[in-house]
Amino acid sequence: DIQMTQSPSSLFASVGDRVTITCQASQDISNYLNWYQQKPGKAPNLLIYDASNLETGVPSRFSGSGSGTHFTFTISSLQPEDIATYYCQQYDNVRLTFGGGTKVEIK
Amino acid sequence: EVQLVESGGGLVQPGGSLRLSCAASGFTFSSHWMSWVRQAPGKGLEWVANIKQDGSEKYYVDSVKGRFTISRDNAKNSLYLQMNSLRAEDTAVYFCARSDTPMVLSSSDFWGQGTLVAVSS
Repeated sequence: DIQMTQSPSSLFASVGDRVTITCQASQDISNYLNWYQQKPGKAPNLLIYDASNLETGVPSRFSGSGSGTHFTFTISSLQPEDIATYYCQQYDNVRLTFGGGTKVEIK
Repeated sequence: EVQLVESGGGLVQPGGSLRLSCAASGFTFSSHWMSWVRQAPGKGLEWVANIKQDGSEKYYVDSVKGRFTISRDNAKNSLYLQMNSLRAEDTAVYFCARSDTPMVLSSSDFWGQGTLVAVSS
């Protein structure tokens, strides 16, 4: 199975800060990489698909980049409503795998 | 409006069985791959199984192989997860999710609200 290593596992940032999360795949997954946001008690919400495409309705402060094995997720200006856990997920292999998650909290 | 509604969760003893259902509406169910994803209390997301639109391909995470069976009934717009020989480590909220592009395994753009499975004596 493809392993997805996500870092950091948690971070504290101030409102307005730029936040960056990285995800490393154990093998080349091209751009078959998604980013999800999950708030407590809720289902995950797709934010970015194909590594860099913004899902419809998602604010433009969210972005993604990368290909192959190294990927980056960025919130350009952190807002209070962005407090959540973020997950990367690969779908290059039919046996899907998620990163361990990054919990984003307000400093 | 796309909707996915899970049901069938509950408390079950170790070694027991449970069948989860996911009722789909608002889209052509028979055209989409579907997945089950679970989340143990306080833990991250774990993919459990997925099934091709016609049911001809099914895949499982190693930890549930031989114990869980994913299936679907396209006439009823429903997805299922039969869970046998349940273990304490299967305790989790189980989500069903739709693969957004018809006929292709891709991003999961719609998710159900989840159903809790608790395995305990």
